[in-house]
Amino acid sequence: AQRVTQPEKLLSVFKGAPVELKCNYSYSGSPELFWYVQYSRQRLQLLLRHISRESIKGFTADLNKGETSFHLKKPFAQEEDSAMYYCALSGGPGAQKLVFGQGTRLTINP
Amino acid sequence: DAGITQSPRHKVTETGTPVTLRCHQTENHRYMYWYRQDPGHGLRLIHYSYGVKDTDKGEVSDGYSVSRSKTEDFLLTLESATSSQTSVYFCAISIRDNEQFFGPGTRLTVL
Repeated sequence: AQRVTQPEKLLSVFKGAPVELKCNYSYSGSPELFWYVQYSRQRLQLLLRHISRESIKGFTADLNKGETSFHLKKPFAQEEDSAMYYCALSGGPGAQKLVFGQGTRLTINP
Repeated sequence: DAGITQSPRHKVTETGTPVTLRCHQTENHRYMYWYRQDPGHGLRLIHYSYGVKDTDKGEVSDGYSVSRSKTEDFLLTLESATSSQTSVYFCAISIRDNEQFFGPGTRLTVL
């Protein structure tokens, strides 16, 4: 079964501090992992996906198959990073369905 | 960019009444999805469609039905709304390589 776990419901850090949002997954095959972000009362937007290996808004995420993790990191948090973050998993190419974690609400304090 | 709209954006209804939410896309993407978003649960898949008249159940399909008579429209119906169906509903389309693009959401309150 596919499962995504985000252990932190809430995360609060100060502006300029490093941020790490944790995501662990359970899947027996080769997964595709995504991070989506939802700013206050807006639609979900794709932040990044592991196959593109790019950095968006200063965020990066590395897929660690040994630890089955896909943690989201940013070295210096900004106030505009305050949002809800969701980790999602797809069961490989052609799967066409996403399984989402419970989400982590990130608050950046000034 | 993919265009996707949802209607209505907000709705308040009473227990036992039928409710239909509409999702409309402006492009011919094959896959469409309905999710509900609830605190502590994240997004959960209700139903999805892989073509006209082709639909399948998701994780939380009980109490919901869907229809897709045209490529661009995907309807979600609550036959008899209950308070447990108070939620924010998101429609999404699969635009490429399992990447999904989301609609603006519909906030539904069942009294």
